[in-house]
Amino acid sequence: QVQLMQSGAEVREPGASVRVSCKASGYSFSVYYIHWVRQAPGQGLEWMGWINPNSGDTNFAQKFRGRVTMTRDTSISTSYMELSRLRSGDTAVYYCAREILGGLGFYYFDYWGQGTLVTVSS
Amino acid sequence: SSELTQDPAVSVALGQTVRITCQGDSLRTYYASWYQQKPGQAPVLVIYGKNNRPSGIPDRFSGSRSGNTASLTITGAQAEDEADYYCNSRDNSGNQRVFGGGTKLTVL
Repeated sequence: QVQLMQSGAEVREPGASVRVSCKASGYSFSVYYIHWVRQAPGQGLEWMGWINPNSGDTNFAQKFRGRVTMTRDTSISTSYMELSRLRSGDTAVYYCAREILGGLGFYYFDYWGQGTLVTVSS
Repeated sequence: SSELTQDPAVSVALGQTVRITCQGDSLRTYYASWYQQKPGQAPVLVIYGKNNRPSGIPDRFSGSRSGNTASLTITGAQAEDEADYYCNSRDNSGNQRVFGGGTKLTVL
């Protein structure tokens, strides 16, 4: 069965960086884009960007450009999201999600990781 | 605009029908997908495309689109449907994604 397994909770000081991993299993890793979504405490879902595991191409929300990096290691079916220059407002649960391109104008996230809590605090 | 707008909160009596809406220019081109999120859990896909439900999602959930508005309808709402609901779609450029602000559904 399809699974996305994320790395564990992290605590960082302001100004530091954090890397979250998302290991895929149960399907051909290179076929489907992986997206990253975050949710601050008590807030809604916020789309951060995507990576094409086949090519390594990425696309980020304007808000995160210059601070976020998304990479992948196809040999272990794992995607990574690294966020730098952390501030308290980056405290959130970070999710990875697999995207299905349905054609005819529809796209959706069918499987999600369990989420990784990143706490930024001094 | 690349934004998707949802009502922050909606309530429905047990067993009644409720519609949750999502407005945005990009919805004229792209279908919305809908996600249910319960406290402490990851989002779950409930509707995608024109009106498609993933396996395991009850048929009381349905979707539709008219102009720049996508709707999620729950026909005969159950207590377990109480949750936050988010719409998602591509933005006008087609290369990015955007979530609505979410709607908190209360089942009375």
